[in-house]
Amino acid sequence: GIQVEQSPPDLILQEGANSTLRCNFSDSVNNLQWFHQNPWGQLINLFYIPSGTKQNGRLSATTVATERYSLLYISSSQTTDSGVYFCAVLNDYKLSFGAGTTVTVRA
Amino acid sequence: GAVVSQHPSWVICKSGTSVKIECRSLDFQATTMFWYRQFPKQSLMLMATSNEGSKATYEQGVEKDKFLINHASLTLSTLTVTSAHPEDSSFYICSARRIVLANYGYTFGSGTRLTVV
Repeated sequence: GIQVEQSPPDLILQEGANSTLRCNFSDSVNNLQWFHQNPWGQLINLFYIPSGTKQNGRLSATTVATERYSLLYISSSQTTDSGVYFCAVLNDYKLSFGAGTTVTVRA
Repeated sequence: GAVVSQHPSWVICKSGTSVKIECRSLDFQATTMFWYRQFPKQSLMLMATSNEGSKATYEQGVEKDKFLINHASLTLSTLTVTSAHPEDSSFYICSARRIVLANYGYTFGSGTRLTVV
């Protein structure tokens, strides 16, 4: 099956800092989603982004499908941004998840 | 829009008993739902695909007789963990598929934390 790799595995930020999370995938995909899992386990969809760039507030994402990677940018990080960020790719009809990046934002 | 409700949020049961988890799409119809399992500090692993009106499709290594899935309507799928054992303790999450931007988008329930004692 398709392989999804995320980096870095862990990220510690000072409040107000910017960061970039990366997702590499091994094959062409129909779609790609970024999720934030909060401490209670709820997965919140951040972006549907099979290609191109999208922005939503302090978050933005870019997917370069031809080079098989996607980036998630967090600007001016806040403590509420803490949690695990997952990239998931859609191949055929199934979502395959990366291992996630655990982000800790310190006040 | 696109809300998926999952119940219960947490459950504790005794070894040998069965537990049912419900997943409902509240504001859209979902012909296909998915069940995932997540161990602490790990990623989500797909267990099975639930198809409305037909049998579920299980991933390799998932015991279909242990994890019974029923998708009787376009808005409800249930996962029953039968004869639960402590090793079944985990976080179970469902998702429902819908059309987004001419492609598929997935919305997730809030998860069920199962503890078998």
